[in-house]
Amino acid sequence: QKEVEQNSGPLSVPEGAIASLNCTYSDRGSQSFFWYRQYSGKSPELIMSIYSNGDKEDGRFTAQLNKASQYVSLLIRDSQPSDSATYLCAVVPSSNYKLTFGKGTLLTVNP
Amino acid sequence: EPEVTQTPSHQVTQMGQEVILRCVPISNHLYFYWYRQILGQKVEFLVSFYNNEISEKSEIFDDQFSVERPDGSNFTLKIRSTKLEDSAMYFCASSVRGRGSPLHFGNGTRLTVT
Repeated sequence: QKEVEQNSGPLSVPEGAIASLNCTYSDRGSQSFFWYRQYSGKSPELIMSIYSNGDKEDGRFTAQLNKASQYVSLLIRDSQPSDSATYLCAVVPSSNYKLTFGKGTLLTVNP
Repeated sequence: EPEVTQTPSHQVTQMGQEVILRCVPISNHLYFYWYRQILGQKVEFLVSFYNNEISEKSEIFDDQFSVERPDGSNFTLKIRSTKLEDSAMYFCASSVRGRGSPLHFGNGTRLTVT
């Protein structure tokens, strides 16, 4: 069973729409969850961290965590073409310190 | 904003050669990491380093790999005898604390083994 799973996409949304990105994880004891953005050929850039069930908002971004269902999501409101990138979900398992990444979802925002 | 810096940005080497990838973590961070990303694949953990010793390593991090913090600012990854399959983007990262603390990544070194 894969540790962190994401739909690889591509997810295509029009400019100004809400983009919804989802992630599931296998380790029920995981406590720390992160969303990173990665432009092609570049390094992962931290967008959000979330540790508790519920929603966490930062500007146009909202992270949602549901530990009972073992999923994390990221909503991007008012999507812009500059948001076009691969979004990586990352989880710290309960058993070690290794931040584990999913394969990422490619988001394309069309002008 | 403080950032993690990596050099070189691109390294080309021949199979069997040794390479050293260099990183300067953010100055007040205490935990250091190396990750790699083979083209088209996911970002994979290699090793974490704290208090001048390896705290965790993956199965990828075999005897060909080593890490060192030779002074108060640099953090290096050495690959002793490179293989074609070592070609990847190598990312250094650092964090203030251990588990649960966000990792901040450098811009990466693209290693090409020919």
